[in-house]
Amino acid sequence: DAGVTQSPTHLIKTRGQQVTLRCSPKSGHDTVSWYQQALGQGPQFIFQYYEEEERQRGNFPDRFSGHQFPNYSSELNVNALLLGDSALYLCASSLVRGPRTDTQYFGPGTRLTVL
Amino acid sequence: DAKTTQPTSMDCAEGRAANLPCNHSTISGNEYVYWYRQIHSQGPQYIIHGLKNNETNEMASLIITEDRKSSTLILPHATLRDTAVYYCIVRVANQAGTALIFGKGTTLSVSS
Repeated sequence: DAGVTQSPTHLIKTRGQQVTLRCSPKSGHDTVSWYQQALGQGPQFIFQYYEEEERQRGNFPDRFSGHQFPNYSSELNVNALLLGDSALYLCASSLVRGPRTDTQYFGPGTRLTVL
Repeated sequence: DAKTTQPTSMDCAEGRAANLPCNHSTISGNEYVYWYRQIHSQGPQYIIHGLKNNETNEMASLIITEDRKSSTLILPHATLRDTAVYYCIVRVANQAGTALIFGKGTTLSVSS
């Protein structure tokens, strides 16, 4: 049973550039959530996608956007990168339907460094 | 803000039980207690969750007090690989769009 996968593993960008991170959910899951984890901090919720729509959003600017595809995979896009965007970006998948099924399972993350 | 309070750090000897406490005095009746752990620079790993009854799985046991204002995660026989940051989170389960709100967690150090 394949778990949550993310690509790339590491990425280096310069200020002002744009980046796209990718996530494939755990088999059978239909919901993808994205989190940002700065060094030494706990993960912070960015947004969640279900049925190809953004369902909930955390306190992040519009530079952060996303997309979910019909196969439930998802992308996180960040425009006009700032030094402060350097972080570990985590994807978590879950299954919304049914009882006790919405536990979120995380991927290994993408380490983004902005220079 | 996180709705839980955890000690910043704890130590445990290898082979002994690790008991990690969590206070969640403002928990609502429909909120579950979730535990995740994060080994350095990896994605958080789901451990266990519960509502009011004690829960056990292959990784750990979760003991929730009768008033549900606190809980304890128990790793029965800690190993060096259990060294990680442990996060206690309360959230409404089975509700669309409910995000996980992480605090700073407890850094557990297991030594031989």
